[in-house]
Amino acid sequence: KAGVTQTPRYLIKTRGQQVTLSCSPISGHRSVSWYQQTPGQGLQFLFEYFSETQRNKGNFPGRFSGRQFSNSRSEMNVSTLELGDSALYLCASSLLGGSPMADEQFFGPGTRLTVL
Amino acid sequence: AQTVTQSQPEMSVQEAETVTLSCTYDTSESDYYLFWYKQPPSRQMILVIRQEAYKQQNATENRFSVNFQKAAKSFSLKISDSQLGDAAMYFCALSGTYKYIFGTGTRLKVLA
Repeated sequence: KAGVTQTPRYLIKTRGQQVTLSCSPISGHRSVSWYQQTPGQGLQFLFEYFSETQRNKGNFPGRFSGRQFSNSRSEMNVSTLELGDSALYLCASSLLGGSPMADEQFFGPGTRLTVL
Repeated sequence: AQTVTQSQPEMSVQEAETVTLSCTYDTSESDYYLFWYKQPPSRQMILVIRQEAYKQQNATENRFSVNFQKAAKSFSLKISDSQLGDAAMYFCALSGTYKYIFGTGTRLKVLA
């Protein structure tokens, strides 16, 4: 089975621009989560989608948004980029997700976003 | 609020020796799961070990084992017979509502 894929792998943007990141989960996985990883902060949860519905959202400003398509692929969008948005953005998929999140999450390689 | 704390930003271990990485957590949930994930340099994060809170028996996976102390809310990872390939960032995670709550990670260096 192919793993979780994320595109693009690297992005360089300037302040004020917007960006869209894409994630393709493992085939059959319906839950897709997004995390922001920065040095010293670990991984911060952005949002989780299941069957095109957002089930949970982290403590991020409204500039961060996402969506999931009927084939479970997911995108996240960041508008009006700020310098502090520079980070590694990780996508993770799991079969069902759930509450509590008991499933193993399978992570993609991440998209490294640099905001200048 | 649910929190995960990893108090060791960096650890070193000699090849073939044993090392223990610490993790403490806080949750008011009665049903939860704990995980250790490994993130090798420039490679994808992978699951090392998973523990169900309702199970008293500590989880083991080959050279990896945990010491789960539920009352103390402690979940440490022991790596035996350390290998060069064990060098990575290790993250402790707690199950939340449709998400994981991660600690800040411990960078493990393995010395030849």
